Amino acid sequence: GDSVTQMEGPVTLSEEAFLTINCTYTATGYPSLFWYVQYPGEGLQLLLKATKADDKGSNKGFEATYRKETTSFHLEKGSVQVSDSAVYFCALKTNTGNQFYFGTGTSLTVIP
Amino acid sequence: DTAVSQTPKYLVTQMGNDKSIKCEQNLGHDTMYWYKQDSKKFLKIMFSYNNKELIINETVPNRFSPKSPDKAHLNLHINSLELGDSAVYFCASSHWTSGRNGELFFGEGSRLTVL
Repeated sequence: GDSVTQMEGPVTLSEEAFLTINCTYTATGYPSLFWYVQYPGEGLQLLLKATKADDKGSNKGFEATYRKETTSFHLEKGSVQVSDSAVYFCALKTNTGNQFYFGTGTSLTVIP
Repeated sequence: DTAVSQTPKYLVTQMGNDKSIKCEQNLGHDTMYWYKQDSKKFLKIMFSYNNKELIINETVPNRFSPKSPDKAHLNLHINSLELGDSAVYFCASSHWTSGRNGELFFGEGSRLTVL
């Protein structure tokens, strides 16, 4: 079945460090891929998305590229800030049935 | 204007009680969802309604009963609450006809604590 596997956390980085959170997926057909972010005490909000192979989603300095050949959608940011501390979820949406599948979430803490 | 709003935000209750959580969206979406997030932040889909019709009904105890009076509302009623029901419950919505491009919009969550 369709699923998403993402890097286990927690991840702790110093401010201005480079961030990568790995995400790989299994899906039939051509899913859309998403990264959601959950700040403490809040709901999830969309960070970025990509709907077809080789698309790059980007927002707030974060980016991820839809790689069909490696079935991956890794999240990257060149220089993290304390305000980026949150839980990050990789997700896919099937191209039939409107079903979403979420990864287990990766907690990121950025220290000054 | 809050796009997806849930009430109450916090709920503390005793085992065995019955409680409800309400959700409303003003985005004009036609599909709504309930997710459960446990203490490890794992998100699990519970139910989904499209145009008031139940389309996703995951393996959830039948003590949980969703109700969708119209496209903009999806409520969750829980009978005979158990300790394991303690979690954060998120309501979400999307537009069915957006297909694979449509994203989910989440509410702020309702934290349920069962004592």
